[in-house]
Amino acid sequence: NAGVTQTPKFQVLKTGQSMTLQCAQDMNHEYMSWYRQDPGMGLRLIHYSVGAGITDQGEVPNGYNVSRSTTEDFPLRLLSAAPSQTSVYFCASSYAAGNQPQHFGDGTRLSIL
Amino acid sequence: ELKVEQNPLFLSMQEGKNYTIYCNYSTTSDRLYWYRQDPGKSLESLFVLLSNGAVKQEGRLMASLDTKARLSTLHITAAVHDLSATYFCAVDYSNSGGSNYKLTFGKGTLLTVNP
Repeated sequence: NAGVTQTPKFQVLKTGQSMTLQCAQDMNHEYMSWYRQDPGMGLRLIHYSVGAGITDQGEVPNGYNVSRSTTEDFPLRLLSAAPSQTSVYFCASSYAAGNQPQHFGDGTRLSIL
Repeated sequence: ELKVEQNPLFLSMQEGKNYTIYCNYSTTSDRLYWYRQDPGKSLESLFVLLSNGAVKQEGRLMASLDTKARLSTLHITAAVHDLSATYFCAVDYSNSGGSNYKLTFGKGTLLTVNP
């Protein structure tokens, strides 16, 4: 099993550009989440999904869209990139049973110029 | 709004010493997770604490949860250099049985173990 796979690993964008961060998991997990990590801030939840076709907002959703058409994939879209969105983005997945931790991908390091 | 506070945020300790990292949270929850992150890497799950009084141990690390005090501790025994990393606690605030998809993280504790 590959676990949680994020692509790309690094990306540089110009302000106003749009892009999609990809996340795929092969563990048949029901739940998937996107976090951003900024220095000194820990991780903050952007959006999450409890199953295919179901998504909801987390703590910092503005400027981001998500969709979940399949169990395996949970892409994160930046609509119009802003310098404040420079961050490291982590995708995570987990089983519905709460006695298991979330499994994290390796992250996407995104810089907005 | 759930708040999760870790302290200390920075911890420099000598090999062989003991120390405790504290994680306080503001809203009732009975699910707490500890993660480790090495520089530039992903997060690795260390412990899952699911009830009041839960205690888990792995090697030189031991985690506990007191839901009444809204406090979790991560105790380090006889630290070694390989334990140098950032440690995060995360609290599940989804308030739904069996869920763990809405986590609020502490800011992390950067642990440096010196020879």
